[in-house]
Amino acid sequence: QVQLVESGTGVVKPGGSLRLACAASGFTFSDYYMIWIRQAPGKGLEWVAYISSSGGVMFYADSVKGRFTISRDNGKNLLYLQMNSLRAEDTAVYYCARPSLPGLYYHMDVWGRGTTVTVSS
Amino acid sequence: NFILTQPHAVSESPGKTVVISCTRSSGSIASNYVQWYQQRPGSSPTTVIFEDNKRPSGVPDRFSGSIDSSSNSASLTISGLKTEDEADYYCQSYDLIVVFGGGTKLTVL
Repeated sequence: QVQLVESGTGVVKPGGSLRLACAASGFTFSDYYMIWIRQAPGKGLEWVAYISSSGGVMFYADSVKGRFTISRDNGKNLLYLQMNSLRAEDTAVYYCARPSLPGLYYHMDVWGRGTTVTVSS
Repeated sequence: NFILTQPHAVSESPGKTVVISCTRSSGSIASNYVQWYQQRPGSSPTTVIFEDNKRPSGVPDRFSGSIDSSSNSASLTISGLKTEDEADYYCQSYDLIVVFGGGTKLTVL
C-alpha cells in the first residue's frame, strides 16, 4: 500500500543542523511532487516546502527560506529536508506528504506519521 | 502571498449542522482550489474535501464544501453531526506556494 515513513527525529541546539528523510513506497515516487509540512506543538499546520517530481523545482515558505533545503533521490525513493541554522520556533512535528495526482502540489492525500524535531539549548 | 482565516473554534450539538468558514485575504477564492483536512488528536491530517467540493471515497456525504466569490471565502458544512466529527479542521489553498488556514477546533457536545 502507499506509505510514507519519516525519520530523523532529534533534539538540536539553536544554530544546529538536522536532516530529515521520508521513505516512500507503494507508488511511483518519481512521478510525484513531494511536500514537507510541519506542526508546532499545539499549533496549526504550516507548509514548509515542495519539490517537483524531477527535483528541478523547489519552493519554500518564507520562514525557512535560506535555511532549509528540500531534495530527493528518485533512485532510492527518498525525500529529504536539510535544516540548518535551526531556531526554537522550528520545533515541530514534520510531515512528509504526497499529492493526489502526478503533476499536482496542492492537494496532499497521503501523509506520513510525522517525525519530531526539538530545538532547545 | 495571501492568508486564509478560519474561526478558532466552533461547537454544536449532535445531529445539528455546522459551517466552518475560510476567508482568503487577497486574490480570488475561485482562482485556486480549496481543500479541507480533518485532524484528530495524535493523528496525521486526512482530506475531507478537495478541489472545493469533492469528497474522497470513504468520506460521508454529511461533509460538503463550497466557495462564495462574493465573500471571497470557502465553507465546510458538516450535517448530522456525530461525536466522531470532533476534530481540528484546516482549509488549504495555493498559488505558487501552499497556504493553510489557522485551523478550527470543532466540538460536538
